[in-house]
Amino acid sequence: DAGVIQSPRHEVTEMGQEVTLRCKPISGHNSLFWYRQTMMRGLELLIYFNNNVPIDDSGMPEDRFSAKMPNASFSTLKIQPSEPRDSAVYFCASSLAWAGGPFSYEQYFGPGTRLTVT
Amino acid sequence: RKEVEQDPGPFNVPEGATVAFNCTYSNSASQSFFWYRQDCRKEPKLLMSVYSSGNEDGRFTAQLNRASQYISLLIRDSKLSDSATYLCVVGRSNDYKLSFGAGTTVTVRA
Repeated sequence: DAGVIQSPRHEVTEMGQEVTLRCKPISGHNSLFWYRQTMMRGLELLIYFNNNVPIDDSGMPEDRFSAKMPNASFSTLKIQPSEPRDSAVYFCASSLAWAGGPFSYEQYFGPGTRLTVT
Repeated sequence: RKEVEQDPGPFNVPEGATVAFNCTYSNSASQSFFWYRQDCRKEPKLLMSVYSSGNEDGRFTAQLNRASQYISLLIRDSKLSDSATYLCVVGRSNDYKLSFGAGTTVTVRA
């Protein structure tokens, strides 16, 4: 089975440019998560969706960040305009989550997009 | 205070040794517990779930102590391939979010 797919795997862009990261979750999963990882701050949750609906975007750092999930098999994370401090690895993860199941929350991560903003 | 705290290590151990480390969590409402492993420049991967009664998966043993709010991982007969960062992960029952610790680095040497 295909895991979580992310593209691009690497992105180098100049400050001020728009960046769009893409994610295809595991088929059948109903929750999708966007994370950012840096050495200084570790793994941070940016936003997550359940059944394509954004549930919690409290981790989105600024209005420059936006995320969409138009259907169950695709999500985007956009940064506009990008800044050097946005440089990080961005992970997408998906899970099959439902209430009442203690082990319903395993998340499966994609390979990540390594973003460098110069 | 961070929701999940881990000793960052590194734990440097010889092949064949046993290594163990803990993490603590602050939210007593936490219901799901996991260990993830992350190799350098790779994504986190689920190593094992942690059950209330403790559980084993091959050379790996996980324990949960709800009263003291800590989780442990023990690796027996360490292999070179066990070298990685181990992330302690905690989830609640009222949402789908997981809280990740900063990780414990383990290096197994020949």
